Amino acid sequence: QVQLVESGGGVVQPGRSLSLSCAASGFTFSTYGMDWVRQAPGKGLEWVAYIWYDGINKFYADSVKGRFTISRDNSKNTLYLQMNSLRAEDTAVYYCARDAGGGSHYYMDVWGKGTTVTVSS
Amino acid sequence: EIVMTQSPATLSVSPGERATLSCRASQSVRSNLAWYQQQPGQAPRLLIYGASTRATGIPARFSGSGSGTEFTLTISSLQSEDFAVYYCQQYNNWPPATFGQGTKVEIK
Repeated sequence: QVQLVESGGGVVQPGRSLSLSCAASGFTFSTYGMDWVRQAPGKGLEWVAYIWYDGINKFYADSVKGRFTISRDNSKNTLYLQMNSLRAEDTAVYYCARDAGGGSHYYMDVWGKGTTVTVSS
Repeated sequence: EIVMTQSPATLSVSPGERATLSCRASQSVRSNLAWYQQQPGQAPRLLIYGASTRATGIPARFSGSGSGTEFTLTISSLQSEDFAVYYCQQYNNWPPATFGQGTKVEIK
């Protein structure tokens, strides 16, 4: 079945880096755009980043631009999020989501269960 | 950036009753609007896209309507599993994709 499984979350100090992964299965990963969406404790959903099906184009929320990098390896059916210069306000559950669009962002039709990132000294 | 505003913040409804949730966009998003349901401790789930098209496997008691700046999600007869938080999201003008702040549907 269609599945997304995130990993790599944990506790990290402010200013440090962390890398998240999302393993996809059950669909042709290389034909879908992919998103990262996060949810701070007790808060709503915040879109973080989107990458085209082929990895050529990437888009970011202003809150993470210049600090986070989205990437993908279609040979490994895996999506990544490299997070640098982490701040306390980056503390959240990070969800990987399949986008209905390949080369343009649409809605997110498949979601992983999420991985928790806590930024704290 | 398009701002999405949902109302009410909390909706108290008895099982079997109808629930009507609203979502307003700060400028037209045409019909490029999706609705998601999130149960406590779970990931969001796509309910509606294109403002009114139910996603695969979504029961017919869920319906969406609207276009432009005003949208509605209706749950015709609330079941126990429908008590959750609901988010709207526009995908007409991006980046960024933007979500509403959510409406919590609770048991009355």
